[in-house]
Amino acid sequence: AQKVTQAQTEISVVEKEDVTLDCVYETRDTTYYLFWYKQPPSGELVFLIRRNSFDEQNEISGRYSWNFQKSTSSFNFTITASQVVDSAVYFCALRGAGSYQLTFGKGTKLSVIP
Amino acid sequence: NAGVTQTPKFRILKIGQSMTLQCTQDMNHNYMYWYRQDPGMGLKLIYYSVGAGITDKGEVPNGYNVSRSTTEDFPLRLELAAPSQTSVYFCASSYGGGAYEQYFGPGTRLTVT
Repeated sequence: AQKVTQAQTEISVVEKEDVTLDCVYETRDTTYYLFWYKQPPSGELVFLIRRNSFDEQNEISGRYSWNFQKSTSSFNFTITASQVVDSAVYFCALRGAGSYQLTFGKGTKLSVIP
Repeated sequence: NAGVTQTPKFRILKIGQSMTLQCTQDMNHNYMYWYRQDPGMGLKLIYYSVGAGITDKGEVPNGYNVSRSTTEDFPLRLELAAPSQTSVYFCASSYGGGAYEQYFGPGTRLTVT
């Protein structure tokens, strides 16, 4: 069975602060894939990043960075110098190599206050 | 290139009514999915399809049916609507399974009263 835990239900930060969203996962698969999606107030889900279980390199994309640590089964997401447009619900998700199902966490609602 | 489109955007049903949620993708993806999202929860998979003519149950299939007669379309049928089916429904597609990211439609907000 697969499980994704996002322990932070809601986070509020003031604009320009850095914020880290936590994601912890459980899987018995040796090969798996981790994803982050953003759901802005408009409701659609936007794909942000995919990480393969065999690639532990951290990734940076502009103000966004992701820290993948297999030793702690975590895939955390950091937004640097947050902006109001970052306000959204962020979902972490997991899929095993042989699975069609994407297992989502419950999401973290981020509010960036001007 | 519209991506994944869903209709309708909103719908109110009475208990016991039936309806079909439409989903179309123009990316020539083989894989398509239906999810439901309840308040404060992540998305749960209802049904998925790996190609035309092939469908399978996900985590929460009860009360729903699907068909996949073409690559582009993947309608979701609700029979005998119940209040427990009040939710936001998302259709998604992907080129394949495993590593391939899923692209989501805008969602359909359904209320059953």
